[in-house]
Amino acid sequence: KQEVTQIPAALSVPEGENLVLNCSFTDSAIYNLQWFRQDPGKGLTSLLLIQSSQREQTSGRLNASLDKSSGRSTLYIAASQPGDSATYLCAVRGGLTGGGNKLTFGTGTQLKVEL
Amino acid sequence: NAGVTQTPKFQVLKTGQSMTLQCAQDMNHEYMSWYRQDPGMGLRLIHYSVGAGITDQGEVPNGYNVSRSTTEDFPLRLLSAAPSQTSVYFCASRTGFTYEQYFGPGTRLTVT
Repeated sequence: KQEVTQIPAALSVPEGENLVLNCSFTDSAIYNLQWFRQDPGKGLTSLLLIQSSQREQTSGRLNASLDKSSGRSTLYIAASQPGDSATYLCAVRGGLTGGGNKLTFGTGTQLKVEL
Repeated sequence: NAGVTQTPKFQVLKTGQSMTLQCAQDMNHEYMSWYRQDPGMGLRLIHYSVGAGITDQGEVPNGYNVSRSTTEDFPLRLLSAAPSQTSVYFCASRTGFTYEQYFGPGTRLTVT
């Protein structure tokens, strides 16, 4: 059974700092990995999607990497801003055969960027 | 595109009542799903559908029912609400090629 872990559970940084959020998963037979952002009381917003054949994806100040063999992904946020404060969720989609096409979520990292 | 929409945003039910959470998407996605989010447990899959007329159970299907008569709509029915169903419910749809998942804004349900 796939398990997804996100460390740390909470993180507080001063504005302007570069930071890294970590995601690890136990089964490396994945189809893709997706990073989401969730603001309090809101839905999930997709940030980046990395297919299993890719090593990284970039969008603006965000960069996500994937090391499938070691079961790890990182989300790098450059020059953090107070508006980046949110919970960041990592989700792994299993392989498409044998009914494994399921999205498994981590419990998230709650980020606070302080002025 | 409105994306994935859900109604209502908030709902309070008494134990034993039934209700339907509505979900619609305008992206012509074949695959739709329902999740619940509880503190410390992450998001868990309730039911999903791979197209109109086809539904299947996810991780935590008990107490919930779904149907899919059109590509756009995927309602979730609570048959007899229980306090354990107090949660935030998210509907999602995904593309058929990249398998990127899109979520609705959620319904916060309280069962007393």
